[in-house]
Parts: sequence; structure tokens; C-alpha cells
Amino acid sequence: QQQVKQSPQSLIVQKGGISIINCAYENTAFDYFPWYQQFPGKGPALLIAIRPDVSEKKEGRFTISFNKSAKQFSLHIMDSQPGDSATYFCAASMLSGGFKTIFGAGTRLFVKA
Amino acid sequence: GAVVSQHPSRVICKSGTSVKIECRSLDFQATTMFWYRQFPKQSLMLMATSNEGSKATYEQGVEKDKFLINHASLTLSTLTVTSAHPEDSSFYICSASRSGGAETQYFGPGTRLLVL
Repeated sequence: QQQVKQSPQSLIVQKGGISIINCAYENTAFDYFPWYQQFPGKGPALLIAIRPDVSEKKEGRFTISFNKSAKQFSLHIMDSQPGDSATYFCAASMLSGGFKTIFGAGTRLFVKA
Repeated sequence: GAVVSQHPSRVICKSGTSVKIECRSLDFQATTMFWYRQFPKQSLMLMATSNEGSKATYEQGVEKDKFLINHASLTLSTLTVTSAHPEDSSFYICSASRSGGAETQYFGPGTRLLVL
């Protein structure tokens, strides 16, 4: 499978701080980059997603920054809260038919109260 | 929002038996369904992709005779783990796509399989 590299593996942030998770991809055919949030024992839930024709997308406290030339994208969680403690996965996919979504390794985020 | 369900949510079986997991799209028709496997503290690994009425496409390294996938209708896909062994114990997650594209891909809650 084409790789999506994600870092860091784990992250501890103080309440109110900014959580930053980075990802890099290889296949330039990818044209859809979602982020998923997963709580223990649950399936992943879509958090926010971006297409490569924009450099940034913001939804509430969550922002994706996208660098097409570097083939990198990142998730910023502003004003991090204890309820944000979960595992976050970046992913890469294609919008057209015949697609498959490739996941990064995941980042375990812990927000300290 | 679109809802994908899985049944059962968890199952325990003896080694050598077969286990069937159902994945249903409750409020939309899914042209494509996917099956993922997730080991503890690891990422989701795509096992196979299936389109309604056609054979599933398996990822490299996934045994198609062991993991049987049937996408019988636009709202139901099943994964059967045949002759399960302890190493098959994992979290199995399905997802369904409404239009065949990534923007309409929705994930199920997962099924925890424990093989004794």
C-alpha cells in the first residue's frame, strides 16, 4: 500500500494548548486528505478533510494546513481539551471511483487537565 | 448523517470455527464497501474493497479464502473469517461509500473478534 507517514506517535498537551500532528504522503494521485478521530473500542469518525487545491481549512478548533509541493499536511487542534484525548489518524484517498483510503500510523493525544 | 452499523459488536469463538460479521449502511445505498483490520495500538489496514454484485478486491497479503467477503446488496456486506485462529483476533471495521468516492465514506463502529 502507498504510505502515509504520520508523526508524532504520541503527544501530551496541556489543556488550552495547541496540538499539532503532521503527515506526509508519496502518491501525487491522492486528492483528498481526511483526518479521523478514534476513541478506544470505536470506529474512526471523520473530523475534517481537505483537497489539495486549498492550503488551509478551518472548522471550529480544528485546522488543516496543506503543502502540496512538499506533499505534507498537518492538523492543528486549538484550545485543546481533555475530551480531545483520542487517537488521530491522517489519511489519503482519491475522490474518483476505484479509490481506497490509506491511513497513517496514528497519534495518541492526551490532553492534561 | 449517514450511518453504518456492524453486527455483532464483539464476538468470542473457538479456534477452527468460522465467524460472520455484517456491515450495513442504514440510510443510504453503498456502491462500495471496505473492510479494515486494526490490531491494538495500530493503524487501520485495508483488507479488501467490494462493490455490490462483484467479487471483492483483496489487498496484498490478505488471504481471500480465509476472509470471505460478500456484498450481496447495496446496503449489506459480510465478512466471514473462516477457520479462525488466535492470530485473527483483532478489531474489524467496515466502511461504506455512498457515491463510490472518498468524500462519502462512512465508517462503522467496529467488531471486536477474540479467537480462543
